[in-house]
Order: sequence, then structure tokens, then C-alpha cells
Amino acid sequence: SQQGEEDPQALSIQEGENATMNCSYKTSINNLQWYRQNSGRGLVHLILIRSNEREKHSGRLRVTLDTSKKSSSLLITASRAADTASYFCALGGGGADGLTFGKGTHLIIQP
Amino acid sequence: SQTIHQWPATLVQPVGSPLSLECTVEGTSNPNLYWYRQAAGRGLQLLFYSVGIGQISSEVPQNLSASRPQDRQFILSSKKLLLSDSGFYLCAWDSVSGNTIYFGEGSWLTVV
Repeated sequence: SQQGEEDPQALSIQEGENATMNCSYKTSINNLQWYRQNSGRGLVHLILIRSNEREKHSGRLRVTLDTSKKSSSLLITASRAADTASYFCALGGGGADGLTFGKGTHLIIQP
Repeated sequence: SQTIHQWPATLVQPVGSPLSLECTVEGTSNPNLYWYRQAAGRGLQLLFYSVGIGQISSEVPQNLSASRPQDRQFILSSKKLLLSDSGFYLCAWDSVSGNTIYFGEGSWLTVV
């Protein structure tokens, strides 16, 4: 099954800076999603970008998708301490495939 | 609105003991239901999914089983736990026509 791979594995930045994390994959996709997981909690859906979209915004989040390079990036602008979490990209859809997740990027925002 | 409840939140079980984790979804009908496991420092592994009552598919061979006795109820079970069953278990759902999966808060299982 298809699976994305996030990069970097860990990222530590100062509050107020922008955080960028990437996801690479190997197969063709219909869409790609980003999720956030606070420590010891369930995953929260952030944004879905379809294969025919190149960029999508939601508040301080900006997601890009380059299907020719099979990669996506998640940008968090003006980071806050509350953004400290693990971020996962997810491929696939509902039903039989479920979603497949990478190992995530652990983001730490230093106050 | 739809909500998903998962319990218990944490449990410590001895090796060889049984397990039952329960998950219910409210506010929707005929959801797809999933059980994922997340081991420390690793991504999520899909264990089971269900597209309807009594319909369970397993993604990996293991010591665990799942059941769906009601439309919005999904249960993860084991007759005899192994140390390797320790981990964070997440129940999730999506609609038949949807792409986004919604997760419960998870259950921490420690097998000792």
C-alpha cells in the first residue's frame, strides 16, 4: 500500500518562526492529507489537498502539492507553542485501504 | 455533529490476560470503522477495518481480533495479551463517501 514519508523526522524552531515539513510518496494519488497529533492524543485532521490542486490554505497553514515530484509540504506560519506536535501526511482513502501514515515530523516550538 | 468515543483511555494488563477496547461513533450512520495501532516512535499501522455490521477485514496477522456488533460500535479484543501488544490504539471512522478519517482520543495499553 502507498505510504508517505515525512521529512525531517524532528524540527525545533523558535516561536514566531515558520515551520516547514515535507512528505514524499511513490505512487499516484487522488489526494493527500495532513494530520496533527499532540502528545498522547488522537490525530486531528488539518487539511486535504486533491491531486488537481497545487496549493491550499487554512488559517496559518499552507499546503502545497507537486504531483510531478510526488511531494507535498506543510508550512505553519508564525508558529506558536501550541503548534508543538507530530505532523503526519496520509495517503489513500476510506474503506478497504484506510489511510496510510508515515512516521511523522515531530515539531517543537521553543518559547 | 459526529463524535467518536473510545475507552478505556489507559490500561495496564498482565501478559496472558484478555483485552477489550470499545469504540462508538455518534451522529452518523453506516460509517467505515478502523482500528490503528501506534508503537512508540513509529507511524500508525492499520489493524482492522469494517464497512458494516459483522464485516471485518484484517490488515496484518496478529494476536488481536475485532468485532462490530452494531452499526456504530467497534470492539478490539484479545484472548491472551502479549508484551508486543503494548501500544497506543486508535479507533477512527469515515463516511462511505468521504476521504477524511476522524480519530478517537486513543487508548494506551501497557502489557506487563
